[in-house]
Amino acid sequence: DVKVTQSSRYLVKRTGEKVFLECVQDMDHENMFWYRQDPGLGLRLIYFSYDVKMKEKGDIPEGYSVSREKKERFSLILESASTNQTSMYLCASSPGLANTGELFFGEGSRLTVL
Amino acid sequence: EDKVVQSPLSLVVHEGDTVTLNCSYEVTNFRSLLWYKQEKKAPTFLFMLTSSGIEKKSGRLSSILDKKELFSILNITATQTGDSAVYLCAVSTGNNRKLIWGLGTSLAVNP
Repeated sequence: DVKVTQSSRYLVKRTGEKVFLECVQDMDHENMFWYRQDPGLGLRLIYFSYDVKMKEKGDIPEGYSVSREKKERFSLILESASTNQTSMYLCASSPGLANTGELFFGEGSRLTVL
Repeated sequence: EDKVVQSPLSLVVHEGDTVTLNCSYEVTNFRSLLWYKQEKKAPTFLFMLTSSGIEKKSGRLSSILDKKELFSILNITATQTGDSAVYLCAVSTGNNRKLIWGLGTSLAVNP
């Protein structure tokens, strides 16, 4: 079974702090994604990566950056956390050439920024 | 602009009822339509549909796609309290790297 692991399930941070959210997948998938999910707004794509060291902006990249130094790991960075970044963050992965569109999700990281 | 619209936004039924959830879409370069179920945590995959008129079935859940009218339905028969969840619809386009998501239908099944 594909496993996508997010390092932290719950985090509480203060405004202005730097936040790292880590995601690791074990199925050698080329594509990795970071979403945030908010009530009434659904799933919104922040960034995605289709190869090591490659990244593309999603729909709401402002205030975020990402890093993909190894194929299995995709990190989301909040350089200076703000209260409006309080949300559920979901990491997902999918295969490259064999991609049918199906995503495999991690358990989610619920971030609260005070 | 690509969009996926789900209806209803929320639904409350009694155990044993049959429900139909709707997903309509307007996208360029359609590849597939996917249904996910989300309980307390991450979405889990239910179905992927690529061809019109071919029903996908898994136990009490089934789904079908109409590419002419640009919609899909998800049916759940003999609902159980464990079916309570948010059901998400997404459409993949182009090279499948990005999905267009609906807002979901929140289903509550009361005993």
